[in-house]
Amino acid sequence: AQKVTQAQTEISVVEKEDVTLDCVYETRDTTYYLFWYKQPPSGELVFLIRRNSFDEQNEISGRYSWNFQKSTSSFNFTITASQVVDSAVYFCALKPNSGNTPLVFGKGTRLSVIA
Amino acid sequence: EAQVTQNPRYLITVTGKKLTVTCSQNMNHEYMSWYRQDPGLGLRQIYYSMNVEVTDKGDVPEGYKVSRKEKRNFPLILESPSPNQTSLYFCASSLGSAAHTEAFFGQGTRLTVV
Repeated sequence: AQKVTQAQTEISVVEKEDVTLDCVYETRDTTYYLFWYKQPPSGELVFLIRRNSFDEQNEISGRYSWNFQKSTSSFNFTITASQVVDSAVYFCALKPNSGNTPLVFGKGTRLSVIA
Repeated sequence: EAQVTQNPRYLITVTGKKLTVTCSQNMNHEYMSWYRQDPGLGLRQIYYSMNVEVTDKGDVPEGYKVSRKEKRNFPLILESPSPNQTSLYFCASSLGSAAHTEAFFGQGTRLTVV
């Protein structure tokens, strides 16, 4: 069975603080992809990153960085120097490479950045 | 501009009154799907379509129908809506069903059934 756990339901930080959103996944597939999506207050889902299971290199994009650790089945997302515009719900998702398994989403973490 | 377009964005309806939420993509994608988002549950797949005239059930298909007569369109049909179908709905499309293909999501349709 595939499962994604985002244990943090809500996080509040003050602007300019760093914040890490946790994501732990379960899958029996050896090949899979992990995703992060952002859902701002306007409601749409914005793709942030895709990472395949064979690539454990960390990735940095501006103030965003992702730490993929296969040994702990985690794909954590860090925002450095958070800004009010980062306030959103963030979803981690998993897609195995087998069959027609859909994207399996975590329940999301609501991040509030306070000015 | 590459996009997935859903209509309407907001809908309030009464129990039992048939409705259709339209979804259209302009990227020539083969794979399309519908998700519903509920508080505390994240997003769950309702139906998906691998290509024209090929559809299959997702995780929560009860109470929904879909059709895929053309590649670009994938409407979601609620024949007899009930209050438990009040939710935020997303249509998504991707080049294929393979894991590496990124899913593009529509803007969402907020449905309220009273």
